[in-house]
Amino acid sequence: NAGVTQTPKFQVLKTGQSMTLQCAQDMNHNSMYWYRQDPGMGLRLIYYSASEGTTDKGEVPNGYNVSRLNKREFSLRLESAAPSQTSVYFCASSEDGGQPQHFGDGTRLSIL
Amino acid sequence: GESVGLHLPTLSVQEGDNSIINCAYSNSASDYFIWYKQESGKGPQFIIDIRSNMDKRQGQRVTVLLNKTVKHLSLQIAATQPGDSAVYFCAENSVSSYKLIFGSGTRLLVRP
Repeated sequence: NAGVTQTPKFQVLKTGQSMTLQCAQDMNHNSMYWYRQDPGMGLRLIYYSASEGTTDKGEVPNGYNVSRLNKREFSLRLESAAPSQTSVYFCASSEDGGQPQHFGDGTRLSIL
Repeated sequence: GESVGLHLPTLSVQEGDNSIINCAYSNSASDYFIWYKQESGKGPQFIIDIRSNMDKRQGQRVTVLLNKTVKHLSLQIAATQPGDSAVYFCAENSVSSYKLIFGSGTRLLVRP
């Protein structure tokens, strides 16, 4: 039982390149989330998917798109990467809203 | 906007002592609170949660206290061990919401 799996673990991009971060969970959770974490700070919500077939904006959605591919998978896409998007990205899942969210180990993304 | 904050960015304790990590929240509508532990290079790990109809909840070596009157949350760790060294985040939510709001974190250092 792997929990939440994120790929890749590390990535370096050039400004303007595109990239999709992958996330999969095996806990049969309904809800999935993408966060970013900048140095010395807490996590900020980018997008979330309350259930399969739905997505909604979080606190910092600009520059990102998401796709809830199926119940297990939720991807995050950067269409044109910018240095301000250098961060650690975490995916999480929960059974539903108002339930504990369980996190993957992150993707460390650097944009030059 | 409203957010969750922490009073102490770094806490240093002697191994075997008890640790207390504090958190203030400002959104009176929040009714669900979670503590997470984050080790270097890892994603946040769920420790314990509490709902607003309770003022205390205990887990294994951890206790969370909630004071709704002053909007204060604390995490107590008994007999602190070297493995407890990490950054601890409080987060707030409501039962009907998918948006978890994180504080900026407190680093706990355990001295041998």
